[in-house]
Amino acid sequence: EVQLVESGGGLVQPGGSLRLSCSASGFTFSKYVMHWVRQGPGKGLEYVSVILSDGGSTYYADSVKGRFTISRDNSKNTLFLQMSSLRAEDTAVYYCVKGMTGATTGDYWGQGTLVTVSS
Amino acid sequence: EIVMTQSPVTLSVSPGERATLSCRASQSVSSELAWYQQKPGQAPRLLIYAASTRATGIPARFSGSGSGTQFTLTISSLQSEDFAVYYCQQYNNWPPWTFGQGTKVEIK
Repeated sequence: EVQLVESGGGLVQPGGSLRLSCSASGFTFSKYVMHWVRQGPGKGLEYVSVILSDGGSTYYADSVKGRFTISRDNSKNTLFLQMSSLRAEDTAVYYCVKGMTGATTGDYWGQGTLVTVSS
Repeated sequence: EIVMTQSPVTLSVSPGERATLSCRASQSVSSELAWYQQKPGQAPRLLIYAASTRATGIPARFSGSGSGTQFTLTISSLQSEDFAVYYCQQYNNWPPWTFGQGTKVEIK
């Protein structure tokens, strides 16, 4: 059974930093593209970042470029999102999402971790 | 970036009735369109990908159709567990994925 468990969320002041983790199990992590998607309170889904299976290529939404860094440790089946210079508008539930085989969408989502940026 | 527009924003349906949700893309996404269901406090769940292929474990009452810029999700006979928010998502021109704003299916 595929499982994605995010952790690392919490309350942080504007300008602060936070590192999210996503622990994966039930599939061969090193073979799959992994994504981060966020959802602000009462809002829709916003794509944040993606990393290819070998970690060799990444992409960031304009809203987080230069402030967030995605990475992965395939030896530990873990995806990361390092967030810095956080703003109130970064407040959201952050989901990690496993890429699919045969289609470039995502098939499994973690339960999410809440990041609240507030003074 | 491709803009996805869903309609209606809210759909009021009685249990057992059919629900039809629409999604329009600002430019062609071929058949690279997915539908997700999200219940309160839960993560989105993949229902449909490639516009019309049901994901693993998804009941046959969920069906998708369309290509290019116009897509439809149909729930043939609404069950109590189907009342939720539904999002369409394009993955033809990615990154990034882009999502519609969602359609809330509520009990009439």
